[in-house]
Amino acid sequence: DGGITQSPKYLFRKEGQNVTLSCEQNLNHDAMYWYRQDPGQGLRLIYYSQIVNDFQKGDIAEGYSVSREKKESFPLTVTSAQKNPTAFYLCASSIGQGVDEQYFGPGTRLTVT
Amino acid sequence: AQTVTQSQPEMSVQEAETVTLSCTYDTSESDYYLFWYKQPPSRQMILVIRQEAYKQQNATENRFSVNFQKAAKSFSLKISDSQLGDAAMYFCAYRSDTSGTYKYIFGTGTRLKVLA
Repeated sequence: DGGITQSPKYLFRKEGQNVTLSCEQNLNHDAMYWYRQDPGQGLRLIYYSQIVNDFQKGDIAEGYSVSREKKESFPLTVTSAQKNPTAFYLCASSIGQGVDEQYFGPGTRLTVT
Repeated sequence: AQTVTQSQPEMSVQEAETVTLSCTYDTSESDYYLFWYKQPPSRQMILVIRQEAYKQQNATENRFSVNFQKAAKSFSLKISDSQLGDAAMYFCAYRSDTSGTYKYIFGTGTRLKVLA
């Protein structure tokens, strides 16, 4: 079945540690996205990539980093510089052309203590 | 910059009744797409309906329909014959078709409760 996978579903880390969230898609989509979701704030864009080896900062990129070495994969690293990393993180992908719609993964809940 | 506003943080509807969720947006562009996404308690985001701005006809998907008013920059979602499974967060989203980027802008969401 085609889709987007995010792992793990729940992730716990100590403050000061970097952590990488996985996102893989087998939909052959060119574009991939990372969002952060906090209560009452909707989805806020962290980074997006429209093609392999290229990505752009979204609205809240500070404290995060990404890579896009393969079309299928778009991992997000939450660094120790992110002041408030505890949140629900959603990965999405889309064709990246024409009438484009986003497909979402199941999300990762990150808790940093 | 484009913005999307959902002014109703929470709505309730009786089962089998009809409810309308509001969404307004601000843009100077003429070509764009609008979406409604549903996020049930599982938190899996699901596309409900899509509207191309160049189309005058309102989109419909079974019990879901939109009222797209381009001049007013309004994009409301109507759910008919509401079912318990419709209970979820609903997000309105905008994507430009002129900027060359496939960046989506989401509203803050409306939580819909369906009363039995």
